[in-house]
Amino acid sequence: EAQVTQNPRYLITVTGKKLTVTCSQNMNHEYMSWYRQDPGLGLRQIYYSMNVEVTDKGDVPEGYKVSRKEKRNFPLILESPSPNQTSLYFCASSRTGTNQPQHFGDGTRLSIL
Amino acid sequence: AQTVTQSQPEMSVQEAETVTLSCTYDTSESNYYLFWYKQPPSRQMILVIRQEAYKQQNATENRFSVNFQKAAKSFSLKISDSQLGDTAMYFCAFMRENTGNQFYFGTGTSLTVIP
Repeated sequence: EAQVTQNPRYLITVTGKKLTVTCSQNMNHEYMSWYRQDPGLGLRQIYYSMNVEVTDKGDVPEGYKVSRKEKRNFPLILESPSPNQTSLYFCASSRTGTNQPQHFGDGTRLSIL
Repeated sequence: AQTVTQSQPEMSVQEAETVTLSCTYDTSESNYYLFWYKQPPSRQMILVIRQEAYKQQNATENRFSVNFQKAAKSFSLKISDSQLGDTAMYFCAFMRENTGNQFYFGTGTSLTVIP
């Protein structure tokens, strides 16, 4: 089954404790992206990657890191999480090229205390 | 920068009735792509419908159709014969051509279908 898998689905942690949210897709998509969803703000892009070893900042990259060492994986790293990073996070992937919709993971609810 | 505006934070509709969700966007591009995504309480993001700006014909997917007005930069979603399963948050999204699939989302409209 074609899917984007995020882990964990839920996480409660404390300020400053490094965490990683994993994202994996099995569709051989070149493009992957991370979003955060906050009430009243919709989805905002954090980082994206056009292909292996190619990453770029989205609209809200501060406080986040990503890597793309393999085509299928695109982890999101919070080196020193803060309460303002409490949010719902989505990973998405797509083929590159025009008119390609993004396929989303099921989301990760992060709470930073 | 591209902006996508959904001016209706919340809407409701009676079951079996028709509802229209509005979306406007701002761009100087001549070609681009527009999408509507549905997010039910399960939080999944589900593609509902897509439209290429160079196509004049409005896209249709079963009970879902769009009214695409390029000059007005408007992209509304019409849901006919509303069903309880249509209750969800709906997001409008914009993608420029040749930008590596970078999406811009609106703030969403929460739709409730009333039995």
